[in-house]
Amino acid sequence: GAGVSQSPSNKVTEKGKDVELRCDPISGHTALYWYRQSLGQGLEFLIYFQGNSAPDKSGLPSDRFSAERTGGSVSTLTIQRTQQEDSAVYLCASSLGGGTTGELFFGEGSRLTVL
Amino acid sequence: GESVGLHLPTLSVQEGDNSIINCAYSNSASDYFIWYKQESGKGPQFIIDIRSNMDKRQGQRVTVLLNKTVKHLSLQIAATQPGDSAVYFCAEGGNQGGKLIFGQGTELSVKP
Repeated sequence: GAGVSQSPSNKVTEKGKDVELRCDPISGHTALYWYRQSLGQGLEFLIYFQGNSAPDKSGLPSDRFSAERTGGSVSTLTIQRTQQEDSAVYLCASSLGGGTTGELFFGEGSRLTVL
Repeated sequence: GESVGLHLPTLSVQEGDNSIINCAYSNSASDYFIWYKQESGKGPQFIIDIRSNMDKRQGQRVTVLLNKTVKHLSLQIAATQPGDSAVYFCAEGGNQGGKLIFGQGTELSVKP
């Protein structure tokens, strides 16, 4: 498709289980971002990729969170041993040159519910 | 830490009126600002951006104003329509590496 694609759109999991969230950016976009949005809140920065490297992972809340990007395209955000406070919508965005040079194109998010 | 914040969490306007959504930012080194619109259940969508070497930029029915002296950003929507109902976020960037820092959002409700 032409936009940023995220999967799954909804994920319900039990506390302590691991989850993987996938992001397919717009073809040709070198920059990829993960944000987290809790109910009624703003967007919390998690990690930023330029190509396959992550120059800024300062927003990852704990070592249970990790992300990778392969082939300069698809990215996976992994949350290990999920906790109830991890429940949120996880948004992925991509851009041509990074947040200083143009708009971010967002996917519709993956809603994670940890029971 | 440094952040971008909004003065009003909710704003209710009559259809056809003009809307003004405000945003304060704290990082004086930021040089790029964007407004996003987020409808329920969807990802944020770009509205308009402005660089710090400008103080005003206009789009279709929208205008962004930047006042660097008081570190204030505003979004003006002319002739507000029901389809404008959404949450609006400001974001700052330019000195954050590649990332954008988002504010908390203002919910705009348009009454017919």
